[in-house]
Amino acid sequence: GAVVSQHPSRVICKSGTSVKIECRSLDFQATTMFWYRQFPKQSLMLMATSNEGSKATYEQGVEKDKFLINHASLTLSTLTVTSAHPEDSSFYICSAPWRPTDTQYFGPGTRLTVL
Amino acid sequence: KQEVTQIPAALSVPEGENLVLNCSFTDSAIYNLQWFRQDPGKGLTSLLLIQSSQREQTSGRLNASLDKSSGRSTLYIAASQPGDSATYLCAVDQGGSEKLVFGKGTKLTVNP
Repeated sequence: GAVVSQHPSRVICKSGTSVKIECRSLDFQATTMFWYRQFPKQSLMLMATSNEGSKATYEQGVEKDKFLINHASLTLSTLTVTSAHPEDSSFYICSAPWRPTDTQYFGPGTRLTVL
Repeated sequence: KQEVTQIPAALSVPEGENLVLNCSFTDSAIYNLQWFRQDPGKGLTSLLLIQSSQREQTSGRLNASLDKSSGRSTLYIAASQPGDSATYLCAVDQGGSEKLVFGKGTKLTVNP
């Protein structure tokens, strides 16, 4: 099956710093990728759609200037959490659709802790 | 706005038991429905995908059914094993947007 990787798997940072998370489709090309956030004991919530070669589209209530998304190639999307605060601490997970079967493949996730 | 509900929130069963996990959604105009497994602190593993035109899908000991008109799906796990212990998530793709709306999941524990 298709594989999606994420890096780093875990990051701890100080309040006010920026953190970049990478999402890669390893064995297929993805013109679109998705970024989700999951708080403890909550469901995954879609944050934004990453579009290769164009601007990301954000869900209602998600600050585009805080969560910068760049999809510079067909296999890589990055999410940068700018000026992170403790309330940004969460599990961030990306997905990419494998179009032949419509199946969404998810990365292993990134646990962000902001102190 | 689509809402996905999963019942029960948690389930504990002895090894070998057959079990059913339930998922319901409020808007029946879905493109497909996908069941995932999530282990603690890990990403999601796709288990089964059912297109809106399909009634069920099977993979090994797993069988997922879809009743779009009533807004329900079930995941049937046969002969459960301790390795099946995980959180099972149901998600719907609304209108082919590829954006998924998730339920909160059912945490399954299979006891040896």
